Amino acid sequence: AQSVTQPDIHITVSEGASLELRCNYSYGATPYLFWYVQSPGQGLQLLLKYFSGDTLVQGIKGFEAEFKRSQSSFNLRKPSVHWSDAAGYFCARTMTFGNEKLTFGTGTRLTIIP
Amino acid sequence: NAGVTQTPKFRILKIGQSMTLQCTQDMNHNYMYWYRQDPGMGLKLIYYSVGAGITDKGEVPNGYNVSRSTTEDFPLRLELAAPSQTSVYFCASSYGGTPDTFGSGTRLTVV
Repeated sequence: AQSVTQPDIHITVSEGASLELRCNYSYGATPYLFWYVQSPGQGLQLLLKYFSGDTLVQGIKGFEAEFKRSQSSFNLRKPSVHWSDAAGYFCARTMTFGNEKLTFGTGTRLTIIP
Repeated sequence: NAGVTQTPKFRILKIGQSMTLQCTQDMNHNYMYWYRQDPGMGLKLIYYSVGAGITDKGEVPNGYNVSRSTTEDFPLRLELAAPSQTSVYFCASSYGGTPDTFGSGTRLTVV
């Protein structure tokens, strides 16, 4: 079965530092990949998505993600984090375009320190 | 626009009780979804709908029922609540097949 792994449960970074959150997907045909952010007490918000084409995807709030087929990864990056970026981040995948049944990773909680 | 609105925000149920979680969206989205999020876990799809009158099971449908009589509303019904249904429930919607707008959730505790 398809799966999504986020190996880091919790990450702490200093404000202004760069950020990379890891996401790996199980082997198989090229999936459709997504990153969502969940602010405390809120629902999820779609940050970005990868369907095909350019492997570097730009999203909202200054985030980007790079699809690497050889590593089965879709890591999320931001060059300089802000205190407001503190949140939970979830990677998700589906195998079919427009497929409603997303598989989510368990998430990474990001803490920002001054 | 309000987006996706869920009510109630919090609820405590006793084992065996029933309740309906309400979800409404004002974006004229065709697709609507119900997810549950257990502590430290990702979201799991309970049910989804691709349009009024059409619903289908997701990954964890047991113990739940849904209906979609209008484009705007997608209520989730819990019959005979069990402790295993203690979770945070999220409703979401989209034009296409990937949820992009989520409600703020309903925290349900079954005791």
